[in-house]
Amino acid sequence: GAVVSQHPSRVICKSGTSVKIECRSLDFQATTMFWYRQFPKQSLMLMATSNEGSKATYEQGVEKDKFLINHASLTLSTLTVTSAHPEDSSFYICSASHGGGSTDTQYFGPGTRLTVL
Amino acid sequence: GQQLNQSPQSMFIQEGEDVSMNCTSSSIFNTWLWYKQDPGEGPVLLIALYKAGELTSNGRLTAQFGITRKDSFLNISASIPSDVGIYFCAGQLGTGANNLFFGTGTRLTVIP
Repeated sequence: GAVVSQHPSRVICKSGTSVKIECRSLDFQATTMFWYRQFPKQSLMLMATSNEGSKATYEQGVEKDKFLINHASLTLSTLTVTSAHPEDSSFYICSASHGGGSTDTQYFGPGTRLTVL
Repeated sequence: GQQLNQSPQSMFIQEGEDVSMNCTSSSIFNTWLWYKQDPGEGPVLLIALYKAGELTSNGRLTAQFGITRKDSFLNISASIPSDVGIYFCAGQLGTGANNLFFGTGTRLTVIP
């Protein structure tokens, strides 16, 4: 159980275009989803936290107008990178949590590699 | 954000050897987690620790939550080639669905 999927697994786009990445919890309802970014040979850095039905909370230094997050249902969150530039090229990973209870384990998706030309 | 330092940064070991890595923080965490990440994949949870002093095993893996709540270690016994990957520690401040703060990672290479 507790499977999280991401789509697409990799995407290449031209500079200036927008890219949408989907994160789905396949067998549980995720009240909270997290989006991380990982540059090569570096650790995961949290970008934003989203709760179903409410606005995402962005970490300091992450532009909310550039990285649009929508958590419209308990099984789906989307991250849209708007007007992508080469410096946005990275590995984007989502995680999902049941929420509530004493052990809110985050289950990670397989990641999406974005390359902006 | 919180800073978690892992050591060593990388390790090259012979198959069959035991491995030890640790993670330290300047802040107290209420939950410590250890993840393994294969290239091009998301992290997979190995062990979760919820109580200071707790020692937990998962097969050949053993992890401990430091008494000060500012550190944790992970041991892998009798390493095998599929142990290759990057190991991350992560700290969580609360027992709710709080943010995870990831360590800098330890890259493990196992030589057959």
